[in-house]
Amino acid sequence: EVQLVQSGAEVKKPGESLKISCKGSGYSFDTNWIAWVRQMPGKGLEWMGIIYPEDSDTRYSPSFQGQVTISADKSINTAYLQWSSLKASDTGMYYCARQYDSGRGPDYWGQGTLVTVSS
Amino acid sequence: QSALTQPASVSGSPGQSITISCTGTSSDVGGHNFVSWYQQHPGKAPKLMIFDVSNRPSGVSNRFSGSKSGNTASLTISGLQAEDEADYYCISYTSSNSLVIFGGGTKLTVL
Repeated sequence: EVQLVQSGAEVKKPGESLKISCKGSGYSFDTNWIAWVRQMPGKGLEWMGIIYPEDSDTRYSPSFQGQVTISADKSINTAYLQWSSLKASDTGMYYCARQYDSGRGPDYWGQGTLVTVSS
Repeated sequence: QSALTQPASVSGSPGQSITISCTGTSSDVGGHNFVSWYQQHPGKAPKLMIFDVSNRPSGVSNRFSGSKSGNTASLTISGLQAEDEADYYCISYTSSNSLVIFGGGTKLTVL
């Protein structure tokens, strides 16, 4: 059974850094892309970027390029999304999802990680 | 890079059929058969309902179907049920950057 398990909710202050995680199991983690998707409160889904754990090939949506960093550690089947300096506008739910092809939408999704940035 | 265009809301009565559209351009929806649809209930993660325009993953009800004409993809739900009330999102490959882009989402209300 394919499973993506994300790290727990976070409450941070503006300017702080953060790294959230997504651990995959039940499939070949190395050879499937992992995508990150943002959902701001009451808003729609926004595709942020993807990483191919086998070689760490990473691609970002133009809207998120330079705003976040996506990484992965294939030795522990885990992908990461990180911020170096959070803003209040980063508040939202962040989903990781398996994307078996870089040009197709995700098929399996994690449960989401709620990030709250507030002073 | 603009999101694909979906109606903000649609509604229907139990037993009826509804269709949700997803309009893009020849660079995305119209140029490729890589359109997927997701259902999202409040507080839940999205669930894949249709992939590659018209294919259903195992376990998805055959009341859900997908199609495409020109630059517009469509999701049709037949025999509406109360449990279908949710938000629906389309996603498509876009050749503008060889990645994917979501639609803005559609809220389905079952009357």
